[in-house]
Amino acid sequence: QQQVKQSPQSLIVQKGGISIINCAYENTAFDYFPWYQQFPGKGPALLIAIRPDVSEKKEGRFTISFNKSAKQFSLHIMDSQPGDSATYFCAASKGSARQLTFGSGTQLTVLP
Amino acid sequence: EAGVAQSPRYKIIEKRQSVAFWCNPISGHATLYWYQQILGQGPKLLIQFQNNGVVDDSQLPKDRFSAERLKGVDSTLKIQPAKLEDSAVYLCASSFGTTYSNQPQHFGDGTRLSIL
Repeated sequence: QQQVKQSPQSLIVQKGGISIINCAYENTAFDYFPWYQQFPGKGPALLIAIRPDVSEKKEGRFTISFNKSAKQFSLHIMDSQPGDSATYFCAASKGSARQLTFGSGTQLTVLP
Repeated sequence: EAGVAQSPRYKIIEKRQSVAFWCNPISGHATLYWYQQILGQGPKLLIQFQNNGVVDDSQLPKDRFSAERLKGVDSTLKIQPAKLEDSAVYLCASSFGTTYSNQPQHFGDGTRLSIL
């Protein structure tokens, strides 16, 4: 059962544009929502994370928007750059073990 | 700070052969994870250790996969015998925190396994 659904599968954005990736979850027990960035041949790296007691978190050009009632959260990349071209994964965790359940990923391409 | 080290980076074997992967987590990190990442998918947790004990191995195919974390530091993941569907990247991650902690997970670059 896929507990975290991510869309779109791929995204092409012009340099300077806004990239938006969406995720939806089913299990209301999730209480921590990180986003990871993965470059080819590398492991995922934590980008930004949010807890459900806030609706938005911003770090530099990256913003997470969180809608608890809709069980949805999204990543916004402002002023997208070619160096942002990578695969982005949303994830969610719950419980004492804090295990991550990952979405299926979005391959972002930022055109110069 | 040195990152999570994994070896080998690549491995090609024939089906029904055995293979082992090694992981050295970041120094001081209590929790270690092994993930399987099939091409085009997100990482899927196989097993989680806290120090040298298993926290969760519910998604580990125990008929063919095994893992251990000796002395609460390095870890090995073994597949025996391998099947075609085991072709994937095997990622190791570690985190400083233990239970109830949202300490970030730091990933290694993985071992890409191809089964012929």
